[in-house]
Amino acid sequence: QSALAQPASVSGSPGQSITISCFGTSSDVGNYNVVSWYQQFPGKAPKLIIYEVTKRPSGVSNRFSGSKSGNTASLTISGLQAEDEADYYCSSYAGSFNLVVFGGGTKLTVL
Amino acid sequence: QLQLQESGPGLVKPSETLSLTCFVSGASITTIGDYWVWLRQPPGTGLEYIGSFYYNGATYYNPSLKSRVTISGDTSKNEFSLTLSPVTATDTAVYYCARGKGAVGGAGWFDPWGQGTLVTVSS
Repeated sequence: QSALAQPASVSGSPGQSITISCFGTSSDVGNYNVVSWYQQFPGKAPKLIIYEVTKRPSGVSNRFSGSKSGNTASLTISGLQAEDEADYYCSSYAGSFNLVVFGGGTKLTVL
Repeated sequence: QLQLQESGPGLVKPSETLSLTCFVSGASITTIGDYWVWLRQPPGTGLEYIGSFYYNGATYYNPSLKSRVTISGDTSKNEFSLTLSPVTATDTAVYYCARGKGAVGGAGWFDPWGQGTLVTVSS
């Protein structure tokens, strides 16, 4: 069982927007603005798409955006494209003992 | 451009030692603020932080794995290594190395990642 909870799957049609939630606690998501999101295609390594809740690495499409409210972080993908179909994982810093916790991942299907 | 590449045996027997090395190119593992991290992903499941190495010799470990894990670095070769012992079937996973930043132990975010290497624990 993962420390952060994510929906197992979400889906959307091309052009639509979808949001993936990442539910944590006051010991991780709620206590630190150090939430990141990763995109993973089958058989490939994860790729960082959001860090420090809202920041995008260079080269990542601005269709990807992150936010946080309380113990819940969210990833929004706007203008959904077929190429966005992948697994998405959230992670959060969890303090100097536990260090980092991950979500169980969400499979995005583009209809 | 920073790149990481894992290497090591793909098959390890139960109760033995898993050893992997990550070669780093495009940056020095002595860069201040960069942590050198191992993570893993069992087949069909999620990601797990194993631990990290910092250039000054500091190491950080997932508490659930700490008793079995050692991470070290070789600055002369610009690489860092993972040993896990003893292993069981539940250690079967794709093992990734990555650069970590943004928090203690490099636990803020991970970028970039190596391509990963599958290690199977089986007799």
